[in-house]
Amino acid sequence: DIQMTQSPSTLSASIGGRVTITCRASQSITTFLAWYQQKPGKAPKLLIYRASKLQSGVSSRFSGSGSGTEFTLTISSMQPDDFATYYCQQYTSSPLTFGGGTKVEIK
Amino acid sequence: EAQLLESGGGLVHPGGSLRLSCSASGFTFSANTMAWVRQAPGKGPEWVSEISGSGRSAYYADSVKGRFTTSRDNSKNTLFLQMSSLRDEDTAIYYCAKEYGSLFDLWGRGTLVIVSA
Repeated sequence: DIQMTQSPSTLSASIGGRVTITCRASQSITTFLAWYQQKPGKAPKLLIYRASKLQSGVSSRFSGSGSGTEFTLTISSMQPDDFATYYCQQYTSSPLTFGGGTKVEIK
Repeated sequence: EAQLLESGGGLVHPGGSLRLSCSASGFTFSANTMAWVRQAPGKGPEWVSEISGSGRSAYYADSVKGRFTTSRDNSKNTLFLQMSSLRDEDTAIYYCAKEYGSLFDLWGRGTLVIVSA
């Protein structure tokens, strides 16, 4: 199985600040990497796929980059609605696997 | 609007069984691969199982293989997860999700399964 490791596990950010989250795969997944946002008590929501493609309806504040084994999710200017937990997911091979999550809290 | 709604969760003793259902609406259910994804408290999501649109092919995570069975009734737009020989580590919120190219682009609200003596 491909292991997905996110860092940091928690971070504090200010409104308007820039946030970067890292996701590492245990082997190359080319660009078959997705990012999800999850708020408390809700299901995850797909934000980005193919490492950098924005899902329809998702704010352009979100961007993704990377290939191979290292990926980043960047939120350019944190808004109140962006405080949540973010997960990466690889979909190059079965079983599909997720990272452990990065919780973004208000500073 | 496309929606998924799970039901059937609850408290069950170790070794017990439970059947989850997921009712779909707002999209062509039979044309889509559907999945079950679970999330233990404080953990990341874990893919559990998926089933092809026709229902002919189903796949499982090693952690549930031989204990869980996924099926669907396309005439009723409903997905099922039959869980047996339940263990403490199966405790989680179980989500039904629509797959699109191995991505999960639509999720239900989830149903909580607690396995405890």
